[in-house]
Amino acid sequence: EAQVTQNPRYLITVTGKKLTVTCSQNMNHEYMSWYRQDPGLGLRQIYYSMNVEVTDKGDVPEGYKVSRKEKRNFPLILESPSPNQTSLYFCASRLAGAWTGELFFGEGSRLTVL
Amino acid sequence: QQPVQSPQAVILREGEDAVINCSSSKALYSVHWYRQKHGEAPVFLMILLKGGEQKGHEKISASFNEKKQQSSLYLTASQLSYSGTYFCGTEEGGSGGSNYKLTFGKGTLLTVNP
Repeated sequence: EAQVTQNPRYLITVTGKKLTVTCSQNMNHEYMSWYRQDPGLGLRQIYYSMNVEVTDKGDVPEGYKVSRKEKRNFPLILESPSPNQTSLYFCASRLAGAWTGELFFGEGSRLTVL
Repeated sequence: QQPVQSPQAVILREGEDAVINCSSSKALYSVHWYRQKHGEAPVFLMILLKGGEQKGHEKISASFNEKKQQSSLYLTASQLSYSGTYFCGTEEGGSGGSNYKLTFGKGTLLTVNP
């Protein structure tokens, strides 16, 4: 089954404790992206990657890191989480050409930073 | 730059029609539409490439006016299953193609009542 898998789905952590949210897709998609969703603000892009070893900042990259060492994986790293990073995070992927369109989303990871 | 959606929310009775608008101040390469139900990930509805085309998906269709950088989503004879939050996503770009950065609006909450 074609899917984007995120882990963990739910996490409560404390300020400053490094954490990684993993994202993996099995569709051989070149393009992967991370979004955060907050009430009233919609989906805001954190980072995106056009292919292995190619990453770029989205609209809200501060406090986050990413890496793309393998085509299928695109982990999101919070080196020193803060309460303002409490949010619902979505990983998504698609084929690289814009005309192919559809962005496939993972189920989301709800993060709470105390 | 985040596209602007309107209205922010709309309440319908089953069978009524609705229009959701999306506009950008940037030259757009494509417009995407997604629907998100409560507690779930966004799901792709359609993509419109520049060229003023109109696309349809059952009783949901959309148009894209590239001169005005505006898109509209039309929901005809709404059903209870249409309830959810609708997001437009825009890719900026001109004749050279897309910048591959998909930016979402803040969303429109659609509620369909019996």
